[in-house]
Amino acid sequence: EVVMTQSPATLSVSPGERATLSCRASQSIGGNLAWYHQKAGQAPRLLIYGASTRVTGIPARFSGSGSGTEFTLTISSLQSEDFAVYYCQQYYHWPPGTFGQGTKVEVK
Amino acid sequence: EAQLLESGGGLVQPGGSLRLSCAASGFTFRGYSINWVRQAPGKGLEWVSAISGTTGKTSYAESVKGRFTISRDKSENTLYLQMKSLRVEDTAVYYCAKAIFGFDEILDVWGQGTTVTVSS
Repeated sequence: EVVMTQSPATLSVSPGERATLSCRASQSIGGNLAWYHQKAGQAPRLLIYGASTRVTGIPARFSGSGSGTEFTLTISSLQSEDFAVYYCQQYYHWPPGTFGQGTKVEVK
Repeated sequence: EAQLLESGGGLVQPGGSLRLSCAASGFTFRGYSINWVRQAPGKGLEWVSAISGTTGKTSYAESVKGRFTISRDKSENTLYLQMKSLRVEDTAVYYCAKAIFGFDEILDVWGQGTTVTVSS
């Protein structure tokens, strides 16, 4: 089973600042990576798949990059609605579609 | 607009059974894979099971294999997760989620979740 490791566990950022989240796979997954975010008390929401393809309706301040084992989600200028927990998910070696443990983006 | 609505959660004793339902609206199951993902209290996301929209093939996490069964009723556009021999560690919010067309595992529509508590 592919293990997904996210870092940092918590990221403290001021509104308007840039946030960079990392996700590492225990083996190569090509570009088969998705990012979700989850606000408190809500279901997760898909942001990006294919490592860098934004879902329709997701603002351009969200961007994804990477391939193989190293991936990054960048939020260029954090808005109040972006403070949430972010999960990466690999779907190359599926099933299971393993998720990372999450990165919490909180207000600094 | 595609929507999913889970139901059937509740409190059950260890060793008991429960059946979760996931009703779809705004789209038909045909061609779309549906997954169950759970989240234990204060924890991250854990993929549980899926059923392919094209082949009907089912898949399970090792932690639930042999105890959980996923199925669908196309005529009612409803998905089920039959859970047996429940354990305390199965306590979680259970989400059903639809996959993007042509994929089994990229989840673009999620329900609001239903809570399962396994406790004596």
